[in-house]
Amino acid sequence: KQEVTQIPAALSVPEGENLVLNCSFTDSAIYNLQWFRQDPGKGLTSLLLIQSSQREQTSGRLNASLDKSSGRSTLYIAASQPGDSATYLCAAPNSGNTPLVFGKGTRLSVIA
Amino acid sequence: NAGVMQNPRHLVRRRGQEARLRCSPMKGHSHVYWYRQLPEEGLKFMVYLQKENIIDESGMPKERFSAEFPKEGPSILRIQQVVRGDSAAYFCASSRGRSDTEAFFGQGTRLTVV
Repeated sequence: KQEVTQIPAALSVPEGENLVLNCSFTDSAIYNLQWFRQDPGKGLTSLLLIQSSQREQTSGRLNASLDKSSGRSTLYIAASQPGDSATYLCAAPNSGNTPLVFGKGTRLSVIA
Repeated sequence: NAGVMQNPRHLVRRRGQEARLRCSPMKGHSHVYWYRQLPEEGLKFMVYLQKENIIDESGMPKERFSAEFPKEGPSILRIQQVVRGDSAAYFCASSRGRSDTEAFFGQGTRLTVV
């Protein structure tokens, strides 16, 4: 059974800092891994999807990496801004027709 | 191309009533997933459906909860005889294929049982 863990649970940084959010998963037989953002009281916004054959994906100031062998993914945010404040969730499926399994998220606060 | 649409956004029910939550997937998506999120907790999988089929309902309580995704119309998550513990945010996601394609989420339905 897939289990996804995110560290740290909460993070507060000053504006402009580069930061790394960590995600680990127990079952490396994944097709892909997906990072989401959730604002308070809102739904989830898909940020990046990394296929199992890829090592990383980039979108603007975001870069996500995937290391299946070690069961880890990181989300790198460059030059953080107050608007980046949100909860960041990573999720991975098992193989086959199973759904996404989510970590509990990292709550990020970027202080102006 | 509209995103995943969920309605209502907020739903208040008295204990013992029925709650019906609707989800219209993105155009071209035939796979729907329902999740529940309790305050300060992560998203917990409930049920995975394709058109007219339940693929995986391992996360859905055996009693009072049911889900469907008919050939025409939205997917429906139904909770009968609601209790206070059912109060949560319920999210629907859709994807084009199996779990190996990108999933997109709706804004959720916040159910409050009074």
